[in-house]
Amino acid sequence: GNSVTQMEGPVTLSEEAFLTINCTYTATGYPSLFWYVQYPGEGLQLLLKATKADDKGSNKGFEATYRKETTSFHLEKGSVQVSDSAVYFCALSTGNQFYFGTGTSLTVIP
Amino acid sequence: NAGVTQTPKFRILKIGQSMTLQCAQDMNHNYMYWYRQDPGMGLKLIYYSVGAGITDKGEVPNGYNVSRSTTEDFPLRLELAAPSQTSVYFCASQGGRLSYEQYFGPGTRLTVT
Repeated sequence: GNSVTQMEGPVTLSEEAFLTINCTYTATGYPSLFWYVQYPGEGLQLLLKATKADDKGSNKGFEATYRKETTSFHLEKGSVQVSDSAVYFCALSTGNQFYFGTGTSLTVIP
Repeated sequence: NAGVTQTPKFRILKIGQSMTLQCAQDMNHNYMYWYRQDPGMGLKLIYYSVGAGITDKGEVPNGYNVSRSTTEDFPLRLELAAPSQTSVYFCASQGGRLSYEQYFGPGTRLTVT
């Protein structure tokens, strides 16, 4: 079946630190991969996506590369800001349905 | 363009009561979804629809019903509310099978006591 496993949190970092949130997946076929972000009290918003192997998604300084050989889609940012504090969800889609990870809470302290 | 809207934002129900959570989108998307998010957990799919008149069960459909009479609206019905249905409910839409992105509403926080 299809599933996503992501790093458990919470994660607390100082401003300007390097961020990595690990995500691995299991899927039949050729999924598209996503990172969504959820700010407090809001719905999920798409952060970045990659639709095929070796694609790199990027947005707002965040990056993730679709690695088929390791079935991974790790999220990285070189220098986090306080405004990046949120919950981050890794997800995959095979077309009709999305499968979400459990979310990783990130808090960035000044 | 309002995107995906949900009403109400908050609701408290007594055990055994019923209610309908409303969801509407103005992007002419064919695909719509209902998820629930329990504290500290990911999203679980309740029901989804690939077009007007077509609905299908997701991972956790028990205790819920849906209908899709128009492209715009996808209401979720709770019959005989139970404490286990206390959760935050999100509606989402997607343009089509290869549209890749789901657009989420702001959520409805439901408490059943």
